[in-house]
Amino acid sequence: SQTIHQWPATLVQPVGSPLSLECTVEGTSNPNLYWYRQAAGRGLQLLFYSVGIGQISSEVPQNLSASRPQDRQFILSSKKLLLSDSGFYLCAWSVPSLDSYGPNSPLHFGNGTRLTVT
Amino acid sequence: AQSVTQLDSQVPVFEEAPVELRCNYSSSVSVYLFWYVQYPNQGLQLLLKYLSGSTLVKGINGFEAEFNKSQTSFHLRKPSVHISDTAEYFCAVSSNNAGNMLTFGGGTRLMVKP
Repeated sequence: SQTIHQWPATLVQPVGSPLSLECTVEGTSNPNLYWYRQAAGRGLQLLFYSVGIGQISSEVPQNLSASRPQDRQFILSSKKLLLSDSGFYLCAWSVPSLDSYGPNSPLHFGNGTRLTVT
Repeated sequence: AQSVTQLDSQVPVFEEAPVELRCNYSSSVSVYLFWYVQYPNQGLQLLLKYLSGSTLVKGINGFEAEFNKSQTSFHLRKPSVHISDTAEYFCAVSSNNAGNMLTFGGGTRLMVKP
């Protein structure tokens, strides 16, 4: 069966410090991978998605970046965190659609990382 | 562009009472619809999905939803809720026109009281 691991679960970082959040998927090959952010009291915002190694699409301009160095590894990074980067970050995967990227098949989420920038 | 509106940010309800969480979407083409549930400090889990076929969709934990194309709605219902149903519920839509990318609503917090 497929599993998704996301770490760390919680993180407190000072403003201006770097960030690296990691997500790995097991039990499937060539998944679509996604990073979402959930700000307090708000819905989910898609930050990045990837349909293959080295292929990253950004949905929202910001000081965050994403990388996919391996098929089932997805990393969210920042060189200098801002206060506004605080939130709940969720990694997700889906089975690739036959016709294009994106989930007609459901998303499977990790347990999230709660990031507090102080 | 597609969008999702969840009309209620919070829904308080007593245990064993029925509940309906409302979801309306906008899209100019055929859509696929989903409901996800998020328990505190966890990721989202799929409750149910509508891709095609019967407009009444049954999901896990006794939830069901009905796709109404004329009203562009996909309301989530449960005839009798439990304390354990307390969570945040998200409606989401995708369509071929939007590259099959999911768009989420703002979420509805269901609070079940004893």
